[in-house]
Amino acid sequence: GAGVSQSPSNKVTEKGKDVELRCDPISGHTALYWYRQSLGQGLEFLIYFQGNSAPDKSGLPSDRFSAERTGGSVSTLTIQRTQQEDSAVYLCASSLAGQGNYGYTFGSGTRLTVV
Amino acid sequence: AQTVTQSQPEMSVQEAETVTLSCTYDTSENNYYLFWYKQPPSRQMILVIRQEAYKQQNATENRFSVNFQKAAKSFSLKISDSQLGDTAMYFCAFMKQGTYKYIFGTGTRLKVLA
Repeated sequence: GAGVSQSPSNKVTEKGKDVELRCDPISGHTALYWYRQSLGQGLEFLIYFQGNSAPDKSGLPSDRFSAERTGGSVSTLTIQRTQQEDSAVYLCASSLAGQGNYGYTFGSGTRLTVV
Repeated sequence: AQTVTQSQPEMSVQEAETVTLSCTYDTSENNYYLFWYKQPPSRQMILVIRQEAYKQQNATENRFSVNFQKAAKSFSLKISDSQLGDTAMYFCAFMKQGTYKYIFGTGTRLKVLA
């Protein structure tokens, strides 16, 4: 697509429920990144995909968080058994392979609220 | 480990005036990139300007320019002729050469006043 598309835009969920956040990167961008933006922690790296592989998952905060990418395109970030501290904006971004140092293209994020 | 510090949580400027946002960073690396991103209420992070550490010349993009002082590890953003559409959060970010991961500062909320 023309830009990075994220859905849903906003999500309210009950504590303990599972949620899935979706990211559709720019067509042809093989590198995909997830970041979390929360009030207490600022912007934190979560995971990096190159194609369908995730060579760096070092930012995932716990084993309740997982992500996958299929067809070298759409990525899904799944949070199981959500907790209130998971409330944040989850931002996805993409770039051409090896071109992250020219800047990413970000989506508008998913605001997750856990009640 | 690298750190990025933005010491001004909030700033305001009158329309058409000039404003400078501060950013300092700490690294032992010699080769890296620095960025300023803008985040308006739409939440989408938009790249404003980028600087390669090996270049002494300061980057400019229309009304946006940086003052890059490598020895001082300082990377400030100057916005000239401020416009109402410049109202946003501004994040300074560091990326080590050969990597793909940003280290972000905590942001400066800029409000442009009519």
